[in-house]
Amino acid sequence: DGGITQSPKYLFRKEGQNVTLSCEQNLNHDAMYWYRQDPGQGLRLIYYSQIVNDFQKGDIAEGYSVSREKKESFPLTVTSAQKNPTAFYLCASSIGSRGANVLTFGAGSRLTVL
Amino acid sequence: GQNIDQPTEMTATEGAIVQINCTYQTSGFNGLFWYQQHAGEAPTFLSYNVLDGLEEKGRFSSFLSRSKGYSYLLLKELQMKDSASYLCAVRDRVNAGKSTFGDGTTLTVKP
Repeated sequence: DGGITQSPKYLFRKEGQNVTLSCEQNLNHDAMYWYRQDPGQGLRLIYYSQIVNDFQKGDIAEGYSVSREKKESFPLTVTSAQKNPTAFYLCASSIGSRGANVLTFGAGSRLTVL
Repeated sequence: GQNIDQPTEMTATEGAIVQINCTYQTSGFNGLFWYQQHAGEAPTFLSYNVLDGLEEKGRFSSFLSRSKGYSYLLLKELQMKDSASYLCAVRDRVNAGKSTFGDGTTLTVKP
């Protein structure tokens, strides 16, 4: 079955540590996205990539970094510069701007800073 | 930029009809999405409107008025499993690969 796999599902981090969240898709989608969701709020865009080896900052990119070396993979690193990283992180993909750009989401990764 | 407004919470009775509104102010509009998100889970796609009018899909319908910057999601014959958050998202005109989400409306369906 095609889909998006995020790992880990739950992650605990000490202050000052960098952590990397994995996102892999086998949908052959061109575009991939990272969103952050805080309790009772909608999704805010961190980074997105519409093609391999290229990515753009979203609305809240500070303290995060990404790479897109392969079409299937779009890992997100939460750096120590992110002041309030505890949140639910969602990875998504779509066929890209050529189509309606409907997003397919992974199951999410919940990061807690201790 | 985009500004999207939705009611925070709504409550309805099983078997009833509920309408969830979404208003938006945008620098450029290129379509509006509705997603459903159950607690602790990922959002799933419900509907997409790019032209004015009503799109019907089973128990769910979505309406768009571009001139008014307004959309609604209509849920009929409510079931307990419809208790979830409903997210309105607007697609950017300049960067069609980017969508901005509202804060979502949490719907509680009661027996």
